[in-house]
Amino acid sequence: DQQVKQNSPSLSVQEGRISILNCDYTNSMFDYFLWYKKYPAEGPTFLISISSIKDKNEDGRFTVFLNKSAKHLSLHIVPSQPGDSAVYFCAASEAGTASKLTFGTGTRLQVTL
Amino acid sequence: GAVVSQHPSRVICKSGTSVKIECRSLDFQATTMFWYRQFPKQSLMLMATSNEGSKATYEQGVEKDKFLINHASLTLSTLTVTSAHPEDSSFYICSASQDRFNQPQHFGDGTRLSIL
Repeated sequence: DQQVKQNSPSLSVQEGRISILNCDYTNSMFDYFLWYKKYPAEGPTFLISISSIKDKNEDGRFTVFLNKSAKHLSLHIVPSQPGDSAVYFCAASEAGTASKLTFGTGTRLQVTL
Repeated sequence: GAVVSQHPSRVICKSGTSVKIECRSLDFQATTMFWYRQFPKQSLMLMATSNEGSKATYEQGVEKDKFLINHASLTLSTLTVTSAHPEDSSFYICSASQDRFNQPQHFGDGTRLSIL
């Protein structure tokens, strides 16, 4: 049972444009959501997070939006840069302190020149 | 930012060998650390939660006698793959977060384990 889903396995965006990565979840107990970026043969790198009390969190070029009623979150990257090309995972946890993460299946982002 | 160090980065060994992987939080204390496994082109699957000073909590389907976890201090957890076989070949990654509310988990760089 995949509780966190990323329905787009891949996405290609031109440099300078906006990248939008989507994530859906089914567990209504999730209250903390994170996005990670991952290169092959490396561990995931934390990008940005959002708690369920918010609907938006912004950090530089990265913005995460949370729609609790739709159980949907998205990551916006603007402007996209070639160095953003990687696999992006969304993840969710149920409680705040050191709780285990449930990962989505990942979306491979390719930013083209 | 928080740094998690994982060692070794790559191991190649013969079937039947036991392999130990270390995970250290370098600049913070972590009561809880996590061990994940990733198969090619798949997501990260949580194997177990490592608790400092107590037994690890294993996810369903993960053999605790096969994957021994020791969390001896607030900065070190180890995963030992005992009597490894080719089907244990995978990418193993650990993570840790600071013991405060809603802190993100930070990941090590992973260990590529190849059993011949």
